[in-house]
Amino acid sequence: DADVTQTPRNRITKTGKRIMLECSQTKGHDRMYWYRQDPGLGLRLIYYSFDVKDINKGEISDGYSVSRQAQAKFSLSLESAIPNQTALYFCATQGYSYEQYFGPGTRLTVT
Amino acid sequence: DQQVKQNSPSLSVQEGRISILNCDYTNSMFDYFLWYKKYPAEGPTFLISISSIKDKNEDGRFTVFLNKSAKHLSLHIVPSQPGDSAVYFCAASFQGGKLIFGQGTELSVKP
Repeated sequence: DADVTQTPRNRITKTGKRIMLECSQTKGHDRMYWYRQDPGLGLRLIYYSFDVKDINKGEISDGYSVSRQAQAKFSLSLESAIPNQTALYFCATQGYSYEQYFGPGTRLTVT
Repeated sequence: DQQVKQNSPSLSVQEGRISILNCDYTNSMFDYFLWYKKYPAEGPTFLISISSIKDKNEDGRFTVFLNKSAKHLSLHIVPSQPGDSAVYFCAASFQGGKLIFGQGTELSVKP
């Protein structure tokens, strides 16, 4: 079984809708991250959490919110989706080393 | 302000030859650097890393070189294989905190 899972894997939604992307991990890591990938822009950090009571904004947090429900779960919400939020979204975890472990990604399309 | 830059969006190499992927950074406080590999429809996976106190780290066919004075690192793949075709991201970290990623370089290894 995968250590980091993301649901859904693909989602098409309309402008203005609220959508939640979910991430679960079995690695027992305290640190979790949400990124988006856009062509030519690489991976950009949206939000991150160093433990259950800690939430921090990344470089592109506007239009997004997160919830850390447990050590293993970190959800990303788009309160009112807009077309320029169409992207690949990745969740990642990090233990005591520098390496981060990524989920398989969610392809989100906002029409 | 892009602190980590990969200026080549793509690279094409013949099978068996050397692939050299480059990455530049601006923040001299970065103390750890990583390379990730990403196949389509999958999340990035950790490939190799290097601490700022070293100038070279080798793992099989993969070697990362760090030139701190030039704020430049490179990933060498020798010999290149068709299965190495993927997008490669470099990333940098400061004191074990969040990673800053470059834009990625798409490597294509031709048989």
